Amino acid sequence: GAVVSQHPSRVICKSGTSVKIECRSLDFQATTMFWYRQFPKQSLMLMATSNEGSKATYEQGVEKDKFLINHASLTLSTLTVTSAHPEDSSFYICSAVQGRDTQYFGPGTRLTVL
Amino acid sequence: KQEVTQIPAALSVPEGENLVLNCSFTDSAIYNLQWFRQDPGKGLTSLLLIQSSQREQTSGRLNASLDKSSGRSTLYIAASQPGDSATYLCAVFNTGGFKTIFGAGTRLFVKA
Repeated sequence: GAVVSQHPSRVICKSGTSVKIECRSLDFQATTMFWYRQFPKQSLMLMATSNEGSKATYEQGVEKDKFLINHASLTLSTLTVTSAHPEDSSFYICSAVQGRDTQYFGPGTRLTVL
Repeated sequence: KQEVTQIPAALSVPEGENLVLNCSFTDSAIYNLQWFRQDPGKGLTSLLLIQSSQREQTSGRLNASLDKSSGRSTLYIAASQPGDSATYLCAVFNTGGFKTIFGAGTRLFVKA
C-alpha cells in the first residue's frame, strides 16, 4: 500500500523555538494533505487542510500564524510550529489523499516543548 | 456538522471472547469509513477501510460493517487476544468539506 512518512518522529525543543515537521507521500502524488493533532488520551483533531500550490485551510480555533503550513510540492507538506510553548506539546499526524478519496496516514511526530 | 460517536468508551473482556465496537455518525455524505488501531504512544494502524458503496470488509479476525443510511458501523473482533488490547478509532471521510472526522475511540483491554 501507499506510504506516508513523517520526519522527525520525535522532537524535544525549548520554549520559544520553532519546529518544522515534514510529511511526505513516498510513492504517490497528493494534492491534498491533512494535519491533525492529538492530546494525551484524546482523539485526533483536524488542524488544517493543505493543498498543493495554495494556502492551507485552517479549522476553527487553530492559529494560522502559529502553525504554518506549506505544501511545496505534490509529495511534501510541512508544518512549522512557531514560538513553541509547552501547551503545544502534542502528537502531530499528517495524512495524504491519493486519488479522489483514499487517505494514508503518517506515523506521527511527538513534540515535547520544555 | 459531522459528529462521530464511539460506544463503549472502554471495554474489558477475557481472552477468547468475541466483541463488537460501535461507531455512529450524523452525516451520511461520506466517501468512506475507516477503522484504526492505536497503541499507547504510537501512531495509527489502519485496520479496515469501507468505501461508501460497500457494506462490509474483512481481514483475518476482524470484520467491519457499514450502514450508511442509518449512520452506523461496527467492528467485530473474533476470538480476542491480549495483543488486541489498544484504542480503536473510527474515522469518516466526509464529502462535504472534504475532511476526516475521528471518533473519540474505544479503549479495549483483553485479559489473559
